[in-house]
Amino acid sequence: EAEVAQSPRYKITEKSQAVAFWCDPISGHATLYWYRQILGQGPELLVQFQDESVVDDSQLPKDRFSAERLKGVDSTLKIQPAELGDSAMYLCASSRQGARTETQYFGPGTRLLVL
Amino acid sequence: KQEVTQIPAALSVPEGENLVLNCSFTDSAIYNLQWFRQDPGKGLTSLLLIQSSQREQTSGRLNASLDKSSGRSTLYIAASQPGDSATYLCAVSGERGSTLGRLYFGRGTQLTVWP
Repeated sequence: EAEVAQSPRYKITEKSQAVAFWCDPISGHATLYWYRQILGQGPELLVQFQDESVVDDSQLPKDRFSAERLKGVDSTLKIQPAELGDSAMYLCASSRQGARTETQYFGPGTRLLVL
Repeated sequence: KQEVTQIPAALSVPEGENLVLNCSFTDSAIYNLQWFRQDPGKGLTSLLLIQSSQREQTSGRLNASLDKSSGRSTLYIAASQPGDSATYLCAVSGERGSTLGRLYFGRGTQLTVWP
């Protein structure tokens, strides 16, 4: 069964350092999402891609966060510089076309700890 | 902004009990509602998706209902098992404008089923 892949699974970094997370969606899925989940809370959408284009990045802290999906397949989320409050689980999800009737499939997540 | 609330925050029951998890949302203009399961340190697995025009969905021992006009959903788990222990998240998908297709999550109900 196809799955969404994410790496690394865990990342520990010091504040002010740069970190990057990678996501490979299910093959053929045109829509890719990055979510942030703070411990004890539900995930919140950071950015949504349709193919290589950003369709929603209204909740992305653009002063320090960036995301790209250059060839419309895999994606990278970067934080520079990292802050203590960025400690969270970063989840990637994909769906076939981003249609409203479709289920999003989630990867295992990257757990970030900023010291 | 859409707010999703889940009650209770935590639930501990003996094996075999039937149980109900509750979800409420403030804006009834939703396109669909999903229930997800999240195991500790893992990603999300979709359990059930209910379109706004539907009243309920069933999968095995799980049954989810939706009352869109009152902004409520319930997840019913029959004959609970220790393997059901996880956090259950409710999410609604926006219906219009900038919220179209975007998922809004509750904080989840942490379920423990003991033998």
